[in-house]
Amino acid sequence: GAVVSQHPSWVICKSGTSVKIECRSLDFQATTMFWYRQFPKQSLMLMATSNEGSKATYEQGVEKDKFLINHASLTLSTLTVTSAHPEDSSFYICSAWDEKLFFGSGTQLSVL
Amino acid sequence: ILNVEQSPQSLHVQEGDSTNFTCSFPSSNFYALHWYRWETAKSPEALFVMTLNGDEKKKGRISATLNTKEGYSYLYIKGSQPEDSATYLCAFMDSSYKLIFGSGTRLLVRP
Repeated sequence: GAVVSQHPSWVICKSGTSVKIECRSLDFQATTMFWYRQFPKQSLMLMATSNEGSKATYEQGVEKDKFLINHASLTLSTLTVTSAHPEDSSFYICSAWDEKLFFGSGTQLSVL
Repeated sequence: ILNVEQSPQSLHVQEGDSTNFTCSFPSSNFYALHWYRWETAKSPEALFVMTLNGDEKKKGRISATLNTKEGYSYLYIKGSQPEDSATYLCAFMDSSYKLIFGSGTRLLVRP
């Protein structure tokens, strides 16, 4: 089946720094990728839909300037958490369609 | 606000037991219902995508049913094995193709 690779698996950073998370489709092309966030004991929540070659579509309540999404190629989407704060600490996971939805393995972000 | 509920939140069973979980979702604007299996430290893996009322799908010892009129789906595991231990997620897809996830059922199968 298709594989979605996500890096890093975990990251610890200081408050105020920016963190970039990469999501790659390894054996298929993905014009659309999805970014989700999960807080402890809560559901996966869609943050934004990443579109190759155009602007991302953000869900209500998600700050565009804080969560920068770039989808410059058919196999790579990146999520940058800018000026991260402790409340941004969460589990972030990406996914892409190839007849069905395939997920990356997620990134646990801890902001000190 | 669309709400997808899963129950129970967690379940501990003995190896060989059969078990089932429930996913409740809105009965309007239904497009599809997805089930995923998520093992710790791995990626969620798609089990089933169900679209038609009355659908039943089967994959080995795992099967699922769908009732779109009343807004629920059941996932069954027959003869649970320790390797079935995982979190099982359901997700409702509406006509805009967005997926709304439940919070999952954590299954632990004791040897």
